[in-house]
Amino acid sequence: KNQVEQSPQSLIILEGKNCTLQCNYTVSPFSNLRWYKQDTGRGPVSLTIMTFSENTKSNGRYTATLDADTKQSSLHITASQLSDSASYICVVGPRDLNYGGSQGNLIFGKGTKLSVKP
Amino acid sequence: DTGVSQDPRHKITKRGQNVTFRCDPISEHNRLYWYRQTLGQGPEFLTYFQNEAQLEKSRLLSDRFSAERPKGSFSTLEIQRTEQGDSAMYLCASSLGRMDSPLHFGNGTRLTVT
Repeated sequence: KNQVEQSPQSLIILEGKNCTLQCNYTVSPFSNLRWYKQDTGRGPVSLTIMTFSENTKSNGRYTATLDADTKQSSLHITASQLSDSASYICVVGPRDLNYGGSQGNLIFGKGTKLSVKP
Repeated sequence: DTGVSQDPRHKITKRGQNVTFRCDPISEHNRLYWYRQTLGQGPEFLTYFQNEAQLEKSRLLSDRFSAERPKGSFSTLEIQRTEQGDSAMYLCASSLGRMDSPLHFGNGTRLTVT
C-alpha cells in the first residue's frame, strides 16, 4: 500500500533555532516528492518539488533532501521565525504510466505541526 | 488576487441536506483537484479533472458526492444527503499538470453537518 509517514508528529522550537522534519514513503513507482506548508485554516502552500533524480532543493530558509534509494526525505528549516509555525506536509507523487508522469492521486502525509516560540 | 478561490468559506448544514461548493482555479491551469481534510490529517484525494474530463475518482468518493467541471473552468462539488461524517475542510487545487508543477490550493470550504 502506498503510504507517507512523517515524524515527528509535532515539534516545538525556539525562534532562531534550526530544525529537521522527516518523511518516509512506500510509494512505488515514484515520480516526485513535495513539501507543503499549511497555516491553520488555510490551504497548503508549495515549498519544494523534487523529481526522483534530484537530491536537494532549496527555497529560502527551507532545504529539502531526497534519498530515493531509502525512500526518505527531510525538510530542514534554518533560523526559524515565528511565522514558520504551521503544519508541514510531505506529499509523494506516484508515476502514472498512462499519462506519462505524476498525475492525479498525490499521496499526502499527515504533517508535522511545528510551533516556533519566542 | 489571481489564486484559487473557493466559495463559500464556511457552510453549516443539517444532516440530510444537499450542499454545493464552488472552486475557481487559476485561469491557465488545466488540472483541478478536490481534496478533503479533517483535523490533524493530511488532505485526502477525492477527484481530479484534466480540463473538463474527470480522470480519476477516489474510492472515498461515495455516490452521494459528485463533481463537475463544465467547460474546463470552474468546478463544483456537490454532496447529497449530508451526514455528520462529511464534516471536514474541502480543498480545491489547480495546476498546469506537468510533473514538476506545484498544486495551488484555495483556502477551502469548511463544512459542518449538524
